[in-house]
Amino acid sequence: QLQLQESGPGLVKPSETLSLTCTVSGGSISSSSYYWGWIRQPPGKGLEWIGSIYYSGSTYYNPSLKSRVTISVDTSKNQFSLKLSSVTAADTAVYYCARRGYGSGRVDVWGQGTTVTVSS
Amino acid sequence: QSALTQPASVSGSPGQSITISCTGTSSDVGGYNYVSWYQQHPGKAPKLMIYDVSNRPSGVSNRFSGSKSGNTASLTISGLQAEDEADYYCSSYTSSSTPNWVFGGGTKLTVL
Repeated sequence: QLQLQESGPGLVKPSETLSLTCTVSGGSISSSSYYWGWIRQPPGKGLEWIGSIYYSGSTYYNPSLKSRVTISVDTSKNQFSLKLSSVTAADTAVYYCARRGYGSGRVDVWGQGTTVTVSS
Repeated sequence: QSALTQPASVSGSPGQSITISCTGTSSDVGGYNYVSWYQQHPGKAPKLMIYDVSNRPSGVSNRFSGSKSGNTASLTISGLQAEDEADYYCSSYTSSSTPNWVFGGGTKLTVL
C-alpha cells in the first residue's frame, strides 16, 4: 500500500525559505500514471493547491504562489520536494504531500501532513 | 484564482439525506469532468470520497454520490450517520490560467 510521509523543519523564520520533502513508500514515484503534489491548509481555513510535478520533471504551480515555489523530484530516492521562498506568517499552515491520478481529478493518497509555522 | 463556492455549513439528522453544492465557472466545474470531493475530520488528512464527478473509490460507502449540472457540482450523502460529521471540500481542474487545480472553501457538515 502506497504511503507518503512529509519531513522538514516545523519552524521557519520570516523571509527565509521553507523546504519540505515527501518520501514515497510502497510504490514508485516514476509511475507514468500519477502526478505528485503539495497542498496546504492554514489554521482554521480551507485547502490550497500549491503545485504538482510529474516524474519527468514537468511542473504546474498555483499562479498565486508561482514566483516563490519550486517543486522537484528525485527518482533515485523516491522523493519529491517543495521549496517556498520569502515566507511570511501567511504561509503558516499544515502542508500535505499527495498523489493525483494522471488524466483524473482524484487525489487518492495523502501524507499525514506536517505543520510549518513562520515566526521569528 | 478564486476558490469554488460552497455553503459554509449544512446539517441533517441521522438517516436523512443532505446535498452540498460546489459552484464554479465554465473554466473549471462546468468545463471539465474532473470534480472531486474530500472528507476531512479534525486533525486528519483529507480523504477522497468522489472523483471525476461521480466515481466512488473502492472502500467508500455507496451512501456518497456525486453529480454535476452546468457550473455546479453536488455531493449527496444519504442515510446520514454520526461519523459523516466532518468538513467537505470540492476540487476541480481549472483552465483559468496555467493548467492547475482549485478547491472550494469547504462545508462543515453537522449531524444533529
